[in-house]
Amino acid sequence: DGGITQSPKYLFRKEGQNVTLSCEQNLNHDAMYWYRQDPGQGLRLIYYSQIVNDFQKGDIAEGYSVSREKKESFPLTVTSAQKNPTAFYLCASSIAGVNTIYFGEGSWLTVV
Amino acid sequence: DQQVKQNSPSLSVQEGRISILNCDYTNSMFDYFLWYKKYPAEGPTFLISISSIKDKNEDGRFTVFLNKSAKHLSLHIVPSQPGDSAVYFCAASVAGNMLTFGGGTRLMVKP
Repeated sequence: DGGITQSPKYLFRKEGQNVTLSCEQNLNHDAMYWYRQDPGQGLRLIYYSQIVNDFQKGDIAEGYSVSREKKESFPLTVTSAQKNPTAFYLCASSIAGVNTIYFGEGSWLTVV
Repeated sequence: DQQVKQNSPSLSVQEGRISILNCDYTNSMFDYFLWYKKYPAEGPTFLISISSIKDKNEDGRFTVFLNKSAKHLSLHIVPSQPGDSAVYFCAASVAGNMLTFGGGTRLMVKP
């Protein structure tokens, strides 16, 4: 089945630790994105990548890092520098130049 | 500065009636608008979209209306069903660039 797979679904992290969220897509999409959703709030763009080995900061990139070594993979690392990391993280992808983006199922990150 | 706003955080509608979800935007350069539906703990799913060259787009029970002069779009769901209960996000973009999302409206359809 074609789609976007995020893992893990639920993740607990101790303060001061880095954690990496995985995102894989088999839709052959060029562009990939990471969004964050906080309870009762909208979606905020963290990072995006329109082509392999290139990525751009979104609105709230501080405390996060990404890589895009393969077209199908766009992992997000939440570093210890992120002040409020507890949130629901959404990965998405799209065909380059096309407005409609498609989302994965999301990953819950809780800092304990 | 929120360029896309959904001023109603929640909406409650009786099953079978019409649901109207509203979205306002400030950037007159937006030329493409989308609605997404999101269930708890799941990713949003694309629902319907409209280009700025049109003022209406219909897909089954879902119709999106665009009023460019008022910088306003709305999503109509007729008839509403309990399975429509979810959070709805509107989004907008300029010339294929990044989507800007509104804050979402939680729709509750009562049986």
